[in-house]
Amino acid sequence: DVKVTQSSRYLVKRTGEKVFLECVQDMDHENMFWYRQDPGLGLRLIYFSYDVKMKEKGDIPEGYSVSREKKERFSLILESASTNQTSMYLCASSPSLPSGHEQYFGPGTRLTVT
Amino acid sequence: AQSVTQPDIHITVSEGASLELRCNYSYGATPYLFWYVQSPGQGLQLLLKYFSGDTLVQGIKGFEAEFKRSQSSFNLRKPSVHWSDAAEYFCAVGARGGGSYIPTFGRGTSLIVHP
Repeated sequence: DVKVTQSSRYLVKRTGEKVFLECVQDMDHENMFWYRQDPGLGLRLIYFSYDVKMKEKGDIPEGYSVSREKKERFSLILESASTNQTSMYLCASSPSLPSGHEQYFGPGTRLTVT
Repeated sequence: AQSVTQPDIHITVSEGASLELRCNYSYGATPYLFWYVQSPGQGLQLLLKYFSGDTLVQGIKGFEAEFKRSQSSFNLRKPSVHWSDAAEYFCAVGARGGGSYIPTFGRGTSLIVHP
């Protein structure tokens, strides 16, 4: 089974702190994604990566950056956390075409910024 | 740009009743459509997907969905709901990007199951 793990299930940080959210997948997938999930808004794509050291902005990249130094690991960075970044963060991975199309999700990290 | 509308924020059904969750999409080409389920405290799990071919798609856990191009819809159905089906359901439409399909998700429908 594909496994996508995220470093923390719950995280509490203070305004202005630098925050790292880590995601690791064990299926050698080329593509990895970071989403933010808020009630009533569904999932919104922050960044995605289709190869090591490659990244593309999603719909809401402002205030975030990412890093992908190894194929299995995709990090989301909040350079200076703000209260409006309190949210659930979901990581996903998927194989490149034509191997597959579906995304595999991690359990999520619920981040609270105070 | 593609978009997805799930018009129902909440749906309440009795256990054993049939279920239909609505999904309408907007996309300029042939859509790639997905339904995911999110149980409380969990990530999302794929229920089923449509890319081409038969417009009635079977998925896991007894779910099915029907693609109707004329109505731009991809509604999810189940003939008899179980209490364990209570969850959040997301419809998504995919667009080609990089080496994968980049889905746009709807806002979700929360399913409540009464005993």
